[in-house]
Amino acid sequence: GAVVSQHPSRVICKSGTSVKIECRSLDFQATTMFWYRQFPKQSLMLMATSNEGSKATYEQGVEKDKFLINHASLTLSTLTVTSAHPEDSSFYICSARGSPTALNTEAFFGQGTRLTVV
Amino acid sequence: AQTVTQSQPEMSVQEAETVTLSCTYDTSENNYYLFWYKQPPSRQMILVIRQEAYKQQNATENRFSVNFQKAAKSFSLKISDSQLGDTAMYFCAFMKHGGNNDMRFGAGTRLTVKP
Repeated sequence: GAVVSQHPSRVICKSGTSVKIECRSLDFQATTMFWYRQFPKQSLMLMATSNEGSKATYEQGVEKDKFLINHASLTLSTLTVTSAHPEDSSFYICSARGSPTALNTEAFFGQGTRLTVV
Repeated sequence: AQTVTQSQPEMSVQEAETVTLSCTYDTSENNYYLFWYKQPPSRQMILVIRQEAYKQQNATENRFSVNFQKAAKSFSLKISDSQLGDTAMYFCAFMKHGGNNDMRFGAGTRLTVKP
């Protein structure tokens, strides 16, 4: 099956610093990757969509300068939370759709990253 | 825009019994996919079942089946012979067909299977 690996699974950073989260498709080409944010006991909220080699498309209300997304290759997308603050503490999940067609009819999820900003 | 509604924040069921989780959605699309995902305490998203809108036959995966009513825009999940390991959050999700469309989720239903 299609595997998406997300790292780190947990990260604690100091307020004001930046943290990078990686999302890799291990055995398929991820033409599109999605980044979600999930607060405790809530649903997944789409933050942005990224296509390989182009700028990410952010959902309304998501600060593009705060959450930098790079999708430089067909197997890697990164989310960088810049100048993190305690309110950025959350669970971040990536997912990917790929090619060929069989891998484009659903999305494959990473394990998620629990970010805590202190 | 597509919206997904899960009206049951919490459900419980006795082990070995059957439970049905509700989901409705709103879309003007004719071709799309619907999903049920399970999220256990590990928070890994696990695909339970998938339905393609152009297929009239309801999807089935072992103890899990759906009741897909396209005209009513309803997509409920039935879990038969519930097991303790089924305890988790369940999310209903919608994805447009084709291209690189994203997946939209309902608010979720927390299911507890009681021994």
